Amino acid sequence: DAGVIQSPRHEVTEMGQEVTLRCKPISGHNSLFWYRQTMMRGLELLIYFNNNVPIDDSGMPEDRFSAKMPNASFSTLKIQPSEPRDSAVYFCASSLSGMNTEAFFGQGTRLTVV
Amino acid sequence: AQTVTQSQPEMSVQEAETVTLSCTYDTSESDYYLFWYKQPPSRQMILVIRQEAYKQQNATENRFSVNFQKAAKSFSLKISDSQLGDAAMYFCAYRSSQGAQKLVFGQGTRLTINP
Repeated sequence: DAGVIQSPRHEVTEMGQEVTLRCKPISGHNSLFWYRQTMMRGLELLIYFNNNVPIDDSGMPEDRFSAKMPNASFSTLKIQPSEPRDSAVYFCASSLSGMNTEAFFGQGTRLTVV
Repeated sequence: AQTVTQSQPEMSVQEAETVTLSCTYDTSESDYYLFWYKQPPSRQMILVIRQEAYKQQNATENRFSVNFQKAAKSFSLKISDSQLGDAAMYFCAYRSSQGAQKLVFGQGTRLTINP
């Protein structure tokens, strides 16, 4: 398996533009997570899906952020409009439901908003 | 809410020596999972080792082992025979056994290996 695949790996955009980050989880995994990593806040969970349904979105910072999982093999995280403080590395991770399972991370998308 | 604290922002060790990274956590739960993740410059988050709270025996994976002290809520990582490839950020993480499977991360420790 190719692992969790995120695209793009790097994104530079201007303030006010819409940004869409994409994630393909590992085939067969039914839990998907979006994390954000910044120097100030470290790694924090934004949203968590189970069987394509959002379970916990309490970490989504504000209405400018939205996430979807239209099917088991694809998820998007959208920021509209983007702001410089959104600059961070965004990770997608997937796992099988169940307690004794490991979360596998993608390589992350480094977003820079100028 | 659970919290994870890594009190050492940076650590360094001589190649082939042993180093221990500290982690403490706060929870009211009795059953949970603890993890150490490695993040090299490539940004990839790599699972190093994990521990189930209900297991008294400390987990070991080759040169990596943990010292899990449940009563003290402490979960340190020991790296033996340090290698240059061990240089990375190391994150301690907590996951509840109930409800959501989200990981709660510590702030990380940057480990440098001196040749």
